[in-house]
Formats: sequence, structure tokens, C-alpha cells
Amino acid sequence: GQQLNQSPQSMFIQEGEDVSMNCTSSSIFNTWLWYKQEPGEGPVLLIALYKAGELTSNGRLTAQFGITRKDSFLNISASIPSDVGIYFCAGQFNTGKLIFGQGTTLQVKP
Amino acid sequence: KAGVTQTPRYLIKTRGQQVTLSCSPISGHRSVSWYQQTPGQGLQFLFEYFSETQRNKGNFPGRFSGRQFSNSRSEMNVSTLELGDSALYLCASSMGQGEREQYFGPGTRLTVT
Repeated sequence: GQQLNQSPQSMFIQEGEDVSMNCTSSSIFNTWLWYKQEPGEGPVLLIALYKAGELTSNGRLTAQFGITRKDSFLNISASIPSDVGIYFCAGQFNTGKLIFGQGTTLQVKP
Repeated sequence: KAGVTQTPRYLIKTRGQQVTLSCSPISGHRSVSWYQQTPGQGLQFLFEYFSETQRNKGNFPGRFSGRQFSNSRSEMNVSTLELGDSALYLCASSMGQGEREQYFGPGTRLTVT
């Protein structure tokens, strides 16, 4: 089936460090979405990207929609302990169907 | 504005039984999508409903079905449960037209024994 390759699979960083994760696909998407999921909860939408090349920020989070429309990255600056969780990218076709990456597990050491 | 709600939050069923899960979308949202989340397969798309019609469907067997009501609330049903159906079932709602961002509920944790 259709898949997104999300990397890295996991990260263990020191508080204050910057974090970068990305997703690539063989498919072209109309929209890229980035979510964060904490234990026992559903994914929470962080950032939505709608145009190739678009760079969008939400506080310490910055995400970009790749020029080829097949990739996206998410950066977190100056990480804090509450950034801990699993981050998912999702590519959306023009039909609305979402395909998710396998997730990046982030752990932050105070 | 209230978020997406799902009931029940936890469920334990036996192989061969059937189960119905419920999802109430954000007020004003007309599209509801269902996903299955497992450690091995990650988040997999089941189906999407918009204005009571199934608009998209994932690659799941016919034992998985859903429906949407006129108030946009949705249910999904799994018949003849198998052990492999144990998962977190997530519902997401969106406006459905134009704005395509999907907002997730907390999920229903289904355990099949």
C-alpha cells in the first residue's frame, strides 16, 4: 500500500536542543499535516501545509512543504520536556484521504 | 467548541463477536474518517463519510463497515472479531469541503481476547 517514509524513528535529545524530522514519499500530495500524539490520546494537529515550498511556523515549530510535493520536514527549536511524544507526518490526496508516516518518537532529557 | 468525542473509550470483546464504535464530530464538521492504529502497522485509513455517504475507503476486509447519520455522527462496526483487530480506533472530523484539516478524537481502545 501507499507509505510515507518518516525519519528518524526515534530521537533522544537534551532539553534546549533543536530537532528535525522529515517524511518522503513516492506519491504527490495536495496537503501535508503534522501531528503529535501523547500516550492514551489521539493525534493533535500541529501544522498544516497547503502549497509546495510553503514554510509555516507555530511557536517553536516550523514545517515546510517540499517543492516536489513528495516530502516535508518539521523542526522544533529549543526543545522542552513537554515536547515528548510521537510526531506523525501525513500526506493528503485531493480526495481527502490521509496517509501517515510511521512516527518519530521524541524523548527530551531535562 | 467541543472536540471530537468517541465512545466507548475502552472495550474488551471476544473473538467472533461484533462491536460498534461511535464518533461525534466537531460541531459544523460534515466529514468523519476512521483509522486503525496498531504498533506494527501504524495509522491505517479505514473509510471516510461525508453527508451520510462513504467517500473514501481503505484496504480493510468487509467485516469493517461504517455509516454516518444526518447529524454527522458516525459509527463503525466490526463483525466476527479477530485477535488482530485489537487496536486503537481513531475518528477524525473535518469540514469536508475546502478546509481539509482533520481533527482527531481520543480513540477507542479495543481489545479482542
